[in-house]
Amino acid sequence: SQTIHQWPATLVQPVGSPLSLECTVEGTSNPNLYWYRQAAGRGLQLLFYSVGIGQISSEVPQNLSASRPQDRQFILSSKKLLLSDSGFYLCAWSGGGAGGRRTDTQYFGPGTRLTVL
Amino acid sequence: AQSVSQHNHHVILSEAASLELGCNYSYGGTVNLFWYVQYPGQHLQLLLKYFSGDPLVKGIKGFEAEFIKSKFSFNLRKPSVQWSDTAEYFCAVNSGYSTLTFGKGTMLLVSP
Repeated sequence: SQTIHQWPATLVQPVGSPLSLECTVEGTSNPNLYWYRQAAGRGLQLLFYSVGIGQISSEVPQNLSASRPQDRQFILSSKKLLLSDSGFYLCAWSGGGAGGRRTDTQYFGPGTRLTVL
Repeated sequence: AQSVSQHNHHVILSEAASLELGCNYSYGGTVNLFWYVQYPGQHLQLLLKYFSGDPLVKGIKGFEAEFIKSKFSFNLRKPSVQWSDTAEYFCAVNSGYSTLTFGKGTMLLVSP
């Protein structure tokens, strides 16, 4: 069966420091991968998605970037964190497919709670 | 761009009450529809989904949802809620090759 891991689970970082959040998926190959930010009362906001290694699409321009160095690894980064980057970050995967279909069911990881002070 | 509207941000019910959470979306074409649930301290998990076929979809834990194309709606229902249904519920929609758009969520509190 497929599993998705995120780490760290919680993180407290000072403003201006760098960020690296990692997501890995097991039990599947060539998944579509997604990064979301969840804010209370605002639902889930898609930040980035990837249909393959090195292929990143950004949904919202901001202080963050994403990379996919391996098929089942997705990394969310920042060079300098802002206070507004605080939030709950979720990684998700779905089945890949020809043409980069993105309509399959998405499965979510446990999330990372980031607090920027 | 698609949008998803969940009408109630907070719902409080007593155990055994019936539940209906509203969800409306804006896209007029073919859509895939989902309800996700997030129990306190747990992962966001899939409750049910609709891709095609019977518009009445049954999910886990006694939940069901009905897709009404003419109303652009996909309301979630449960005839009798339990305390363990306390959670946040999210409606989500995608279409074609688009990514998933989530509603803002509804926090359900069931009192014993």
